[in-house]
Amino acid sequence: AQTVTQSQPEMSVQEAETVTLSCTYDTSESDYYLFWYKQPPSRQMILVIRQEAYKQQNATENRFSVNFQKAAKSFSLKISDSQLGDAAMYFCAYRIARSSNTGKLIFGQGTTLQVKP
Amino acid sequence: NAGVTQTPKFRVLKTGQSMTLLCAQDMNHEYMYWYRQDPGMGLRLIHYSVGEGTTAKGEVPDGYNVSRLKKQNFLLGLESAAPSQTSVYFCASRKLAGDIYEQYFGPGTRLTVT
Repeated sequence: AQTVTQSQPEMSVQEAETVTLSCTYDTSESDYYLFWYKQPPSRQMILVIRQEAYKQQNATENRFSVNFQKAAKSFSLKISDSQLGDAAMYFCAYRIARSSNTGKLIFGQGTTLQVKP
Repeated sequence: NAGVTQTPKFRVLKTGQSMTLLCAQDMNHEYMYWYRQDPGMGLRLIHYSVGEGTTAKGEVPDGYNVSRLKKQNFLLGLESAAPSQTSVYFCASRKLAGDIYEQYFGPGTRLTVT
């Protein structure tokens, strides 16, 4: 069975600094997708970034980038130039890529990020 | 285009009461999902549907039932609520074709069972 683990329940960062959130996963599949979702106090789940496992290049979206290490089954999120609006809970998630798959996501436990002014 | 909406946003139930949570999407998505979010456990899949008239169990289906009578609606029912069902419930939907498509989430329903 696939599992996703976020070992950091809470992290904090100074505004304008860089922070890295960790995520590891376990799977026997070779083709899959990985995601980072942001959940601010409003509760709305917002997709931050996604990575296709077959792509070696790490995904980047503005100040957000990932370090995808397929062999190590590691998928960390780096937030550069942290802003107060980045304060939220962040979830790492996994999904099998097979077309027969139902598309269900497997989530990690979440990391609460505090941004200090 | 409202995306995914959930009704109600908050609800308090007494043990043993029943209720139905409604999820609606206006994106013509085939797949729909119900998750629950509990502290320290992330989101866990309760039930899902791959099309109108079809449903299937997820990771934590006990105590819940679902129905997908219309493509745009996915209902989650609690027949006899228990305190262990206190949680935040999220509905999500996704297109059928192509695995690159992401899931779109509703705003969540906070349910408290006393």
